[in-house]
Amino acid sequence: QEQLVESGGGVVQPGRSLRLSCLASGFHFSNYAMHWVRQAPGKGLEWVAVIYYDGNKKYYPDSVKGRFTISRDNSKNTLYLQMNSLRDEDTAVYYCAKDGSLWGQGILVTVSS
Amino acid sequence: DVVMTQSPLPLPVTLGQPASISCRSSQSLVHSDGNTYLSWFQQRPGQSPRRLIYQVSNRDSGVPDRFSGSGSGTDFTLKISRVEADDVGVYYCMQGTHWPLYTFGQGTKLEIK
Repeated sequence: QEQLVESGGGVVQPGRSLRLSCLASGFHFSNYAMHWVRQAPGKGLEWVAVIYYDGNKKYYPDSVKGRFTISRDNSKNTLYLQMNSLRDEDTAVYYCAKDGSLWGQGILVTVSS
Repeated sequence: DVVMTQSPLPLPVTLGQPASISCRSSQSLVHSDGNTYLSWFQQRPGQSPRRLIYQVSNRDSGVPDRFSGSGSGTDFTLKISRVEADDVGVYYCMQGTHWPLYTFGQGTKLEIK
């Protein structure tokens, strides 16, 4: 059964860093582009990053460009999101997703002093 | 950037009655490959998003045939033929045509009258 499981969330102070992980199972991880999508409390969905299947291309919206880095380790079936210089407005549930057809359960990141 | 605009935002519906959600994009969603990458997602309270429809009108596996998608160019619609209690939640449209920058609509909250 296909599954995505996020980890690494928590409470962090503004300006600090955090790394999220997403472990994939049940499908050929290395064949798919992978995404991070976030949802601030009570708000809608915001696409955060995408990485090609081989890790060679990565894209971000302006809201996180230069602060967030998406990466993957296909040997470990794992997707990552390195978040630096965190701001209050980065507080959200972060989901990893495959093609939109499969989503993880989400992990909460709270940026607060 | 492509802007996705949904209406209505709150959608009160009587059980057993039909429901319709509109999604308009600021640019055509017809890709150079001839396909239109417009998807619909359902997010039930406390759950991760779940894709219902991809490429305008294709239902994902396990999605009841009460759900249908239609449209072209910049105007798209999600219809529920007979609303059930299990359909309560927020519905999002998302464009994937203008890869790699994905964009979601604001979300339509379906509630039972």
